[in-house]
Amino acid sequence: DAGVTQSPTHLIKTRGQQVTLRCSPKSGHDTVSWYQQALGQGPQFIFQYYEEEERQRGNFPDRFSGHQFPNYSSELNVNALLLGDSALYLCASSPIFSGPFYEQYFGPGTRLTVT
Amino acid sequence: AQSVSQHNHHVILSEAASLELGCNYSYGGTVNLFWYVQYPGQHLQLLLKYFSGDPLVKGIKGFEAEFIKSKFSFNLRKPSVQWSDTAEYFCAVTPGTSGTYKYIFGTGTRLKVLA
Repeated sequence: DAGVTQSPTHLIKTRGQQVTLRCSPKSGHDTVSWYQQALGQGPQFIFQYYEEEERQRGNFPDRFSGHQFPNYSSELNVNALLLGDSALYLCASSPIFSGPFYEQYFGPGTRLTVT
Repeated sequence: AQSVSQHNHHVILSEAASLELGCNYSYGGTVNLFWYVQYPGQHLQLLLKYFSGDPLVKGIKGFEAEFIKSKFSFNLRKPSVQWSDTAEYFCAVTPGTSGTYKYIFGTGTRLKVLA
């Protein structure tokens, strides 16, 4: 049973560029969340997608956007990259929501470096 | 705003020593609580979780945590650490009610166990 997968593993971009990160959830999961983990910090919630719509959003600017596809996979897009966007981007999936008692399964992350 | 505090940023122990990592959260309502571990080069993995019931929760690899509601705490313990427990440990909280889905993470505690 494949867990959460993310691609690419590493990415180097220049300030001002745009980037797309991809995530495939664990089998049987339909909800995908994205987190940003800066060096020395805990993961920070960016947003969550369910039924192809953004269900909840954290304190991130509109430069961060996402998408969920009918097969539950998801993309995270970041426009106009800043040096401060350099971080590990984590995808987490969870099973069909049935109340507050759910847990999230994390992927290995994509390391984004902005130069 | 909801927040999670992990007071110990770096901990160094010898093998067989006992471990206790602190976690405090700020949220007045019902909460779900988690401890995740990130071994070097690996992704976040769930150690244990608390939703309701017995406040003493047992997880994998001999870890346990105690939820003390009056202290807003969820400290992680292990009676005897091993070299393989060297990792970064994250406490996370999510409100235990429908309508909010994000995890709020602490900044993490880096544990180094000396052989």
